[in-house]
Amino acid sequence: GAGVSQTPSNKVTEKGKYVELRCDPISGHTALYWYRQSLGQGPEFLIYFQGTGAADDSGLPNDRFFAVRPEGSVSTLKIQRTERGDSAVYLCASSKTGTDGETQYFGPGTRLLVL
Amino acid sequence: GENVEQHPSTLSVQEGDSAVIKCTYSDSASNYFPWYKQELGKRPQLIIDIRSNVGEKKDQRIAVTLNKTAKHFSLHITETQPEDSAVYFCAARGNFNKFYFGSGTKLNVKP
Repeated sequence: GAGVSQTPSNKVTEKGKYVELRCDPISGHTALYWYRQSLGQGPEFLIYFQGTGAADDSGLPNDRFFAVRPEGSVSTLKIQRTERGDSAVYLCASSKTGTDGETQYFGPGTRLLVL
Repeated sequence: GENVEQHPSTLSVQEGDSAVIKCTYSDSASNYFPWYKQELGKRPQLIIDIRSNVGEKKDQRIAVTLNKTAKHFSLHITETQPEDSAVYFCAARGNFNKFYFGSGTKLNVKP
């Protein structure tokens, strides 16, 4: 079946602009995660959704970052007033129910570059 | 929260040799430890995982060992092949099944 997909694959924007990154999880997966991966680093947790609600947003770096999942499927990560330090690959992952030890399946990521 | 450290950051081996990557974690409540392989420009792919009630798990040329007392776990790749070249990440599961990742090991297998 189809895996996790993310759009766009690449996004170039200017400092101060607003961007939206989209994630389509595997169909039927209720758990959805956003991670940020800076160059040469491992993915860093941002936010976790269980269904429509954000169960844990402790990884969001500041209030410029926000994410939604209104119908419990597609999720959008929103970044306001982008800064050069926001440049990274933003990865989305999903798992079936979010329970202990489930495999998380990653999307290909969106490479964000803030000029 | 959890803190995962990974060593070495780069590893170069000759084809056919073994490769070992080590990780430590800080939260004794962590109970699930996956390993991911990431090729350049690609998404992380799960290659093996281990739960805290098991000390070792093997899948063909790949094995993972876990020492709960010392809070460290290792990835072992035997008979390495050029296609094993990639960046490998360890991770530990925290609350709500979110993963804390190590900083990665770039493995280069020389033909």
